[in-house]
Amino acid sequence: AQSVTQLGSHVSVSEGALVLLRCNYSSSVPPYLFWYVQYPNQGLQLLLKYTSAATLVKGINGFEAEFKKSETSFHLTKPSAHMSDAAEYFCAVSTRVSDMRFGAGTRLTVKP
Amino acid sequence: KAGVTQTPRYLIKTRGQQVTLSCSPISGHRSVSWYQQTPGQGLQFLFEYFSETQRNKGNFPGRFSGRQFSNSRSEMNVSTLELGDSALYLCASSLAPDNSGNTIYFGEGSWLTVV
Repeated sequence: AQSVTQLGSHVSVSEGALVLLRCNYSSSVPPYLFWYVQYPNQGLQLLLKYTSAATLVKGINGFEAEFKKSETSFHLTKPSAHMSDAAEYFCAVSTRVSDMRFGAGTRLTVKP
Repeated sequence: KAGVTQTPRYLIKTRGQQVTLSCSPISGHRSVSWYQQTPGQGLQFLFEYFSETQRNKGNFPGRFSGRQFSNSRSEMNVSTLELGDSALYLCASSLAPDNSGNTIYFGEGSWLTVV
């Protein structure tokens, strides 16, 4: 069975600073990896997904993530934080839809 | 193209009552899954339907049930509500459930408060 660990339940950055949200996964088979964002009172919106086509995945809103098999990591980054990036971010791993496992989430705060 | 639509968005129920939540998937999507989100437990898989059949079920009591109709719309039902059932219930749809890395798309959820 697969699992995901998100390091840091809360991350705070200044506007314009680098955003780095950490995700480590465990999977016995090659995984599919996802990052979702959840704004207050809304559902989850897909930011990006890894499906083995390329290790560096670019998503929406300037986010990207790099799959590192040797480190079993899939960290999410954005070069310059914007106030509108404040939200909760979830990393997820799956081998099929019904096996999708989510991390506990990381709440990103962006300070002006 | 319309996204995943969930109704109602907000509801308040009394302990012991039952509730039915509805989900309309993205047009053309035949797989529907349900998740429960709470501050304490995070996002937990409830069940998944494809072609009107429940394919998988998470670790929830039998009070939680669901079904899927021929048009892929899905409903979930919770009977004998408990205070701990208060949560955001998220519906997600995808083209198919198998291991092809299909993206699942989430609705905005139904906020259930049990008092």
